[in-house]
Amino acid sequence: DAGVIQSPRHEVTEMGQEVTLRCKPISGHNSLFWYRQTMMRGLELLIYFNNNVPIDDSGMPEDRFSAKMPNASFSTLKIQPSEPRDSAVYFCASSLGLAGLIQETQYFGPGTRLLVL
Amino acid sequence: KNEVEQSPQNLTAQEGEFITINCSYSVGISALHWLQQHPGGGIVSLFMLSSGKKKHGRLIATINIQEKHSSLHITASHPRDSAVYICAASGNQFYFGTGTSLTVIP
Repeated sequence: DAGVIQSPRHEVTEMGQEVTLRCKPISGHNSLFWYRQTMMRGLELLIYFNNNVPIDDSGMPEDRFSAKMPNASFSTLKIQPSEPRDSAVYFCASSLGLAGLIQETQYFGPGTRLLVL
Repeated sequence: KNEVEQSPQNLTAQEGEFITINCSYSVGISALHWLQQHPGGGIVSLFMLSSGKKKHGRLIATINIQEKHSSLHITASHPRDSAVYICAASGNQFYFGTGTSLTVIP
C-alpha cells in the first residue's frame, strides 16, 4: 500500500486566497484525521471522520476552515479566506476505525506545508 | 496547565546510551500514543497502549494508569533515533505533548 497520500506537499499562497488540501487514506481504513502543526502550538487535532461522517470538529479553529469526506478514499480541508496565521504543516492520518475512533494506531501522511503570505 | 506534559524538552545523548522520555497526563484517557517525528517532518506512530508495557525492537513504552504516567525508553541509542518524540493522550479528545527533541551523537 502507498500509505496516506497528501497533496500538495507544499503550498504558497497570498492572504485572502482559498486553499484546498487533499488526502487519500489507506485503503480499508474507516477513520480519517486532519491535524495542524505549528511551532507555537505543536500538533493539534482539527477534525476526524469515521465512515465518511465528521465525528468531532471541535478543533477546527474558525468558520474559515471546512473539511469534507465525500467518499472513503478522499478528503479535503479547505481554508477560505486564508490568513498568514494559517501557515503550518497540515497532516492527514488514517486508522482502521473499528475499535474506537481515536484509540487505534494512526498512519500519518507526509504533510502539506502551507505558507500564507 | 497543559493536559499532557513531557520531559525533558531537549535531550542529547551519546550513541549507545539508554534514553528515557517521560509523559504525564491529567485527563482520563483510553489510550496513550507515542509518535516519532523525523527531521524531515514525517510522523510515525510508535506505540499505542492503554496498560502495561509494549516493546518493539530497541523501543519500550510503559504506562502506569494510576499515576497517569508513561515512559518511552530507547536502549542502545543510535544516531538514527534522533527525532522529536511526541506523547499524545486520547480519551474524549486528543491531547498532545509539546515533544522531546532527541539528538544522539555518534
